[in-house]
Amino acid sequence: DAKTTQPNSMESNEEEPVHLPCNHSTISGTDYIHWYRQLPSQGPEYVIHGLTSNVNNRMASLAIAEDRKSSTLILHRATLRDAAVYYCILRDDQTGANNLFFGTGTRLTVIP
Amino acid sequence: EPEVTQTPSHQVTQMGQEVILRCVPISNHLYFYWYRQILGQKVEFLVSFYNNEISEKSEIFDDQFSVERPDGSNFTLKIRSTKLEDSAMYFCASSDPYRSYEQYFGPGTRLTVT
Repeated sequence: DAKTTQPNSMESNEEEPVHLPCNHSTISGTDYIHWYRQLPSQGPEYVIHGLTSNVNNRMASLAIAEDRKSSTLILHRATLRDAAVYYCILRDDQTGANNLFFGTGTRLTVIP
Repeated sequence: EPEVTQTPSHQVTQMGQEVILRCVPISNHLYFYWYRQILGQKVEFLVSFYNNEISEKSEIFDDQFSVERPDGSNFTLKIRSTKLEDSAMYFCASSDPYRSYEQYFGPGTRLTVT
């Protein structure tokens, strides 16, 4: 699986937007970009995914660079509940291999 | 909202003993997975299961591990002879075949091998 690079940690003030970056310079044409998060003492949780176009859902937005070598997860208004480790994962969804290979992710701290 | 459940929440066992970790995936899901997370480390894929057989497994999933779907609702992970290094949080996950991009994870079972 292609590798991703994320900052180890980030901080944000509550109710401000957060931009979590991810670099994936070796992404292949069939790799989807998935974001999961892991709240303290919980299992991972799906956040969003995309291929080429920017995506929005109720939790977040995903901005994908035109060359697909990087992406940014955007939380529009951080809340204390958003404090978690955020994982950017590449997965070739067309092969039927649904396994997720987690990296070390970005630990987001939300400051009240 | 439907959720994946796991039992027990915490299991303590002695080295060399067999353990079975249990999971109840979401009812209409057809893909099932086990992952583990050693304390302070990243989440690691162990095995995926579909149509009553293993789809893929990692190199961690050796002969000491097995999975089973004994009935229409449970999905189990068995470790035949536990080692100290098997101590970890074990997460079960499941996904809908039409939305396989979204895996739903359970709360985990913390396995402590002494």
